[in-house]
Amino acid sequence: DQQVKQNSPSLSVQEGRISILNCDYTNSMFDYFLWYKKYPAEGPTFLISISSIKDKNEDGRFTVFLNKSAKHLSLHIVPSQPGDSAVYFCAASETGGGNKLTFGTGTQLKVEL
Amino acid sequence: DTAVSQTPKYLVTQMGNDKSIKCEQNLGHDTMYWYKQDSKKFLKIMFSYNNKELIINETVPNRFSPKSPDKAHLNLHINSLELGDSAVYFCASSQDGGVFEQYFGPGTRLTVT
Repeated sequence: DQQVKQNSPSLSVQEGRISILNCDYTNSMFDYFLWYKKYPAEGPTFLISISSIKDKNEDGRFTVFLNKSAKHLSLHIVPSQPGDSAVYFCAASETGGGNKLTFGTGTQLKVEL
Repeated sequence: DTAVSQTPKYLVTQMGNDKSIKCEQNLGHDTMYWYKQDSKKFLKIMFSYNNKELIINETVPNRFSPKSPDKAHLNLHINSLELGDSAVYFCASSQDGGVFEQYFGPGTRLTVT
């Protein structure tokens, strides 16, 4: 029973354009959401997070949007750069849950020149 | 000055053996975690420790035993290794007291033959 889903296993975008990565969740108790970026043979690297009391959080080229009613979040990267090519994982946790992260299966982003 | 380090990076061993993976963090965090990434790239939490106390223990065979000698270290010992234990194991750490981003180590790729 996968509580966090990333339905697109891969995404290809041209350099300079916007990348939009999507994530859906089923557990309404989740109240904190994170995006991680992972390069091959490395550990996931924290990118950006959002609390359920917000619907948007922005950090430089990265913006995360949260739609609680739809149980959906998305990560926007603009402009996309070749160095952004990596696997992006969405993760969720709930207050009082011991900070346990439940991860999606990841989306492989490829930014082409 | 690696924040979260793991040793070894690669581990190849035969079925039935016992092996350990070590993890250390120099971030001053109180909570440490072990995650398993299986062949389908799905990242799933196994354990978490807070100040040497077990907080999260997911449905993991009791052949897996975490050990935390101090809050900066969380080692994973695996007895009687099985083929299905082949995976990448990630250690992570975070601050205590709520939901916070976790910082991951580079991973240990375990191959059981």
